[in-house]
Amino acid sequence: NSKVIQTPRYLVKGQGQKAKMRCIPEKGHPVVFWYQQNKNNEFKFLINFQNQEVLQQIDMTEKRFSAECPSNSPCSLEIQSSEAGDSALYLCASSLNQDTQYFGPGTRLLVL
Amino acid sequence: GDSVTQTEGPVTVSESESLIINCTYSATSIAYPNLFWYVRYPGEGLQLLLKVITAGQKGSSRGFEATYNKETTSFHLQKASVQESDSAVYYCALGDLGDNSKLIWGLGTSLVVNP
Repeated sequence: NSKVIQTPRYLVKGQGQKAKMRCIPEKGHPVVFWYQQNKNNEFKFLINFQNQEVLQQIDMTEKRFSAECPSNSPCSLEIQSSEAGDSALYLCASSLNQDTQYFGPGTRLLVL
Repeated sequence: GDSVTQTEGPVTVSESESLIINCTYSATSIAYPNLFWYVRYPGEGLQLLLKVITAGQKGSSRGFEATYNKETTSFHLQKASVQESDSAVYYCALGDLGDNSKLIWGLGTSLVVNP
């Protein structure tokens, strides 16, 4: 079973508020991914890191989302100004070398 | 484009019955497709169930099997005899060997196994 830890499990924010969630990857996994899974079960890739460096990110992530994976600290994903459409399950995954991804339980964000 | 299509749920079966959840894929821009089945049990996170990286090979785990068929672009999940504990949502996913940075996901199939 995966040992990826995500906190908090649930997050409720008002529109315009910041929403921040954290992820601790499996020990020894240098690659971290963030996905958004919406109410229709669609997955959207947001960003991934190798160690502290961003590998790839989508446009949405560049504009309203910020993410980092500092050394010796949890990775984080923050939405600067939440919108109703951001309500979703945010999944963090880690992998050893961009091979199989191991997922955390997710943070369910509700933007009122 | 690249896509994954799987059986639309919910799928309801009785314990000890056989199961097949269909998954077909399109990998037009992926040089070396590899295929995954993930499962999400109630209240838990996504778990890798099985993966296959080579066309023609079969993956198996927990009594489930799936064969990577390049000719039919399919990766159907099968189990001969399901148990109530198999009730979960199953996701088929397509990746690029060596660079699974962006997995392409199906929409999931909810399986309900009745006792």
